[in-house]
Amino acid sequence: AQKITQTQPGMFVQEKEAVTLDCTYDTSDQSYGLFWYKQPSSGEMIFLIYQGSYDEQNATEGRYSLNFQKARKSANLVISASQLGDSAMYFCAMREPLIYNQGGKLIFGQGTELSVKP
Amino acid sequence: SQTIHQWPATLVQPVGSPLSLECTVEGTSNPNLYWYRQAAGRGLQLLFYSVGIGQISSEVPQNLSASRPQDRQFILSSKKLLLSDSGFYLCAWKLGTGGINSPLHFGNGTRLTVT
Repeated sequence: AQKITQTQPGMFVQEKEAVTLDCTYDTSDQSYGLFWYKQPSSGEMIFLIYQGSYDEQNATEGRYSLNFQKARKSANLVISASQLGDSAMYFCAMREPLIYNQGGKLIFGQGTELSVKP
Repeated sequence: SQTIHQWPATLVQPVGSPLSLECTVEGTSNPNLYWYRQAAGRGLQLLFYSVGIGQISSEVPQNLSASRPQDRQFILSSKKLLLSDSGFYLCAWKLGTGGINSPLHFGNGTRLTVT
């Protein structure tokens, strides 16, 4: 069963505007972790931001923030003041509780390709 | 600081030939190690992970195998490649003692084309 869903295959945003990339997840656990990664055309995976299921505050890292709505099981990434260098694939990922995920693996969504227009 | 090295960057191999991709991590001990595969324009699929030397967990049945002969070395292999093995292979590590908030750190990937 698909556990991470990213419904936007592609998104366009004007430079300097904000953009929201959607991510919904499916779990019956109370403890889990959510991650966002950026993958430029070079292929490397860059860790952007983390949100824990018990975190009361939405995570922020510079221009990145996470709109975490636990009841709706959504963890949308917000990029403020988009830059041309933000053009990339963005992946949402989830880690289930370590008690039965001893390897600490991440499950990834299918990604959203973001294009920033000048 | 920790670094991860993955090679080669690109590889073109004929069907039926063997494969060996190598990944090493520096600057940490007893990391968890992972091999992911990414089909074109798709998400990452976990192939194998390891929590220690000689310990390999396979996530999906396939034509590939993995080994961890040393603490910070992770190898992905195949005896005979199939066309369906083409893809972008990513090695990753995380702190072995890291909690649920511990991110994976990825290598630069290997783009494998099986012809």
